[in-house]
Amino acid sequence: ETGVTQTPRHLVMGMTNKKSLKCEQHLGHNAMYWYKQSAKKPLELMFVYSLEERVENNSVPSRFSPECPNSSHLFLHLHTLQPEDSALYLCASSQGVGVNNEQFFGPGTRLTVL
Amino acid sequence: SQKIEQNSEALNIQEGKTATLTCNYTNYSPAYLQWYRQDPGRGPVFLLLIRENEKEKRKERLKVTFDTTLKQSLFHITASQPADSATYLCALPTGNQFYFGTGTSLTVIP
Repeated sequence: ETGVTQTPRHLVMGMTNKKSLKCEQHLGHNAMYWYKQSAKKPLELMFVYSLEERVENNSVPSRFSPECPNSSHLFLHLHTLQPEDSALYLCASSQGVGVNNEQFFGPGTRLTVL
Repeated sequence: SQKIEQNSEALNIQEGKTATLTCNYTNYSPAYLQWYRQDPGRGPVFLLLIRENEKEKRKERLKVTFDTTLKQSLFHITASQPADSATYLCALPTGNQFYFGTGTSLTVIP
């Protein structure tokens, strides 16, 4: 176990549904990340939070909405998704941002949009 | 931004041999570079970090080199074992974020 948990592990949703992905880290880290991993593509960074403040937002469609209520929890709220949003969504944490910290990843949520 | 290329998509080697994986980048040289391992259905796991002023870094059977002139990092696994079979990713930082390669899938054949 990496100290980063994600729920649910699998999610199937229709294009009109609203759902949320949850991430929790038990490592005392200050930075948390959301990544999208699609087949044959590199990991794509979606959002970065440092001390609960969003510091990066990489042109992600507004149908993805992050929330970081405290330094241990990170959510990704989903609504009106498209089939091309089907992917593995990974959460990660690190001690800080902008320094040579290793990232600790959760197991991911496998999302399928019908 | 960075464009990162990792050699072949898949690499098959015989158990006991040395596996060599390549990570090439196109733009500026980062202050450091990381390598991760990813198993199917799991998130990546950090393996090694090498700084720009370090030519080589070792950890048990793993060795990483970093050549800023060639804009390349090599990742070696010596005395490979079937348990080393996984996808290996290189990651380069820029500002607050990392750029990852697509990864190389390594299969070690018994």
